[in-house]
Order: sequence, then structure tokens, then C-alpha cells
Amino acid sequence: DSGVTQTPKHLITATGQRVTLRCSPRSGDLSVYWYQQSLDQGLQFLIQYYNGEERAKGNILERFSAQQFPDLHSELNLSSLELGDSALYFCASSPYSGGPYNEQFFGPGTRLTVL
Amino acid sequence: DQQVKQNSPSLSVQEGRISILNCDYTNSMFDYFLWYKKYPAEGPTFLISISSIKDKNEDGRFTVFLNKSAKHLSLHIVPSQPGDSAVYFCALYSNASKIIFGSGTRLSIQP
Repeated sequence: DSGVTQTPKHLITATGQRVTLRCSPRSGDLSVYWYQQSLDQGLQFLIQYYNGEERAKGNILERFSAQQFPDLHSELNLSSLELGDSALYFCASSPYSGGPYNEQFFGPGTRLTVL
Repeated sequence: DQQVKQNSPSLSVQEGRISILNCDYTNSMFDYFLWYKKYPAEGPTFLISISSIKDKNEDGRFTVFLNKSAKHLSLHIVPSQPGDSAVYFCALYSNASKIIFGSGTRLSIQP
């Protein structure tokens, strides 16, 4: 158990809908990272927040957005969903402010299925 | 255009022997190189990393080697144990590209 929690575990929705994925980092970690793992694209870095502020941006679509709240939990919002957004979404946390080259602790993921 | 490649989708190694996982990349701009392992139904687990100014980093049974001239990264696991059976991803970081992952190699340790 990494100490990172993600909810929900599974999510099934329809095209065009909007969903919110939630992540609680390990106690004391200030950085939260979001990743997407899909069959065709593999594992991709989406975005990093550090202590409430965006720190690094990867291959995040404009339809996706994220934020980190004062209690350090983070939410990833996916809107206008398409079939291709079906994937595993991982959240990771670390105590470091630097980019995603530091050791990170991953949550178990949220499996999103778009029908 | 694939910037990082793990050419072996799978690898089978006998317990107690050395496992060598490889990763090739095309661009010299990367600053950090990392290895993650992943069990089914779990998130990835960080294993070891190396910066571009070094050519070797060791942590217990895990050693990462970086050959910048060949643009080649490898992970050695010695001795291999049954719990090492997992999918291994290399990941490369630069300030421009952020982090890019390889497609993974499935390692199976045979008793």
C-alpha cells in the first residue's frame, strides 16, 4: 500500500459526459501527479501540482483539467468524453517540488470506461 | 516518432540468475532516467533512477547503467527472485518533454 488513495476505482460513463477523479496523496506529500495508461498510448504523464500550484504539464488534453486543493487532495476533471479516453488514470505523490523525475508513490488507479 | 523503446516485450529468467532489461532512446536531451515496475491491478512502483551525468547507480539488487553515447539504458537485477515478476517500464525525463515512458517489458522469473 503506497498511501495514495484514488476514488472511484471504476467508472463507466457515456460519450460526451464529464467525470471527476479524486486523489488523496500520502501524508506530508505536497506534489501530486496525474498519469493516463491506455492500450494504444501506454503510460503518459498529464500534469503535476505542487502545494496547490501547477508545476509541470505533459500531454494533457484541453478537455481535461486538474486542481489541487488546500488540503492537498487533487481532482482530475475529464469533459466531453470520447471513447478514446477509456483508460486507467493514476495519481502519484511525492514530497518534492521538482518535476516527475523524483521518486513518486502511485495510487491503485481509476479505471474509466467510456461507452 | 518513438523517443524511447523497450524492444523486448517479454523476458524469462531463472530464479537466482541475472535479469537484464533494456531501453533505447533517440534524443540526447534527457536529464534523468528512471525504472518503474508494475504488478497487475496496482500502480507503478519506483525502483531506481540515474541522472545524465552518471553512468551507473546501484541500490541493493538493482543497478541501472546509462550509456549516453549508445543512447542505451539498462536495469540489472541480481539475483532475480520470484517477486520480481512484473512489467518493467523505463522512463526518461527532460524539462522540455517532461517524462516519457517505454512500452514495458514483462519479466517472468522461473523457479
